[in-house]
Amino acid sequence: DIVMTQSPDSLAVSLGERATINCKSSQTVLYSSNNKTYLTWYQQKAGQPPKLLIYWASTRQSGVPDRFSGSGSETDFTLTISSLQAEDVAVYYCQQYYSTPLTFGGGTKVEIK
Amino acid sequence: EVQLLESGGDFEQPGGSLRLSCAASGFTFNSSAMSWVRQAPGKGLEWVSTISGSGDDTYYADSVKGRFTISRDNSKNTLYLQMNSLRAEDTAVYYCAKEVAVTGEGIFDYWGQGTLVTVSS
Repeated sequence: DIVMTQSPDSLAVSLGERATINCKSSQTVLYSSNNKTYLTWYQQKAGQPPKLLIYWASTRQSGVPDRFSGSGSETDFTLTISSLQAEDVAVYYCQQYYSTPLTFGGGTKVEIK
Repeated sequence: EVQLLESGGDFEQPGGSLRLSCAASGFTFNSSAMSWVRQAPGKGLEWVSTISGSGDDTYYADSVKGRFTISRDNSKNTLYLQMNSLRAEDTAVYYCAKEVAVTGEGIFDYWGQGTLVTVSS
């Protein structure tokens, strides 16, 4: 199984400042035959289901604000919120879909400082 | 508007059975693979099972293989999860999730609100 490790477990960022969340996979999630990276990011607000933010490591889902961006390749990935807004308070999860079982990171809780 | 409405969650004793349902609307149901993802209280997300759009292909996490069965009725736009031999560690909110692709690629673009399954004696 591919293990997904997120860091930090939580972070507090001032409004308007940058938030950076890291995700590391135990093996590559880059499929060399099509050069696609099988990684998504989800946002989960309290009491709500997860919401898709990013797929293919860097493609923003329709309707997601452009302050959210994803980057990285092979085994190391980053979700960046360029200017934190109050509505961004949530837990963020990375997930690989390179192989089954599909696996998620443990989550990173983002709060306002 | 895509809507996914889960039902069937309940309190059950260890060894018991439950059947979850997910009623889908707002998209062409048989054009999307569907999955179940669960979340234990206060914990992270765990993929449980996926079924292709046709229903021909199914996939399971090792933790539920042999105990849970995913199925779908495309004529009723409904996804199911039959859960047998329940264990305490199956306690979780179970989410129904729509996949972007018909074949179960693993990108979940819509999620239901979830249904709570509690397994305890």
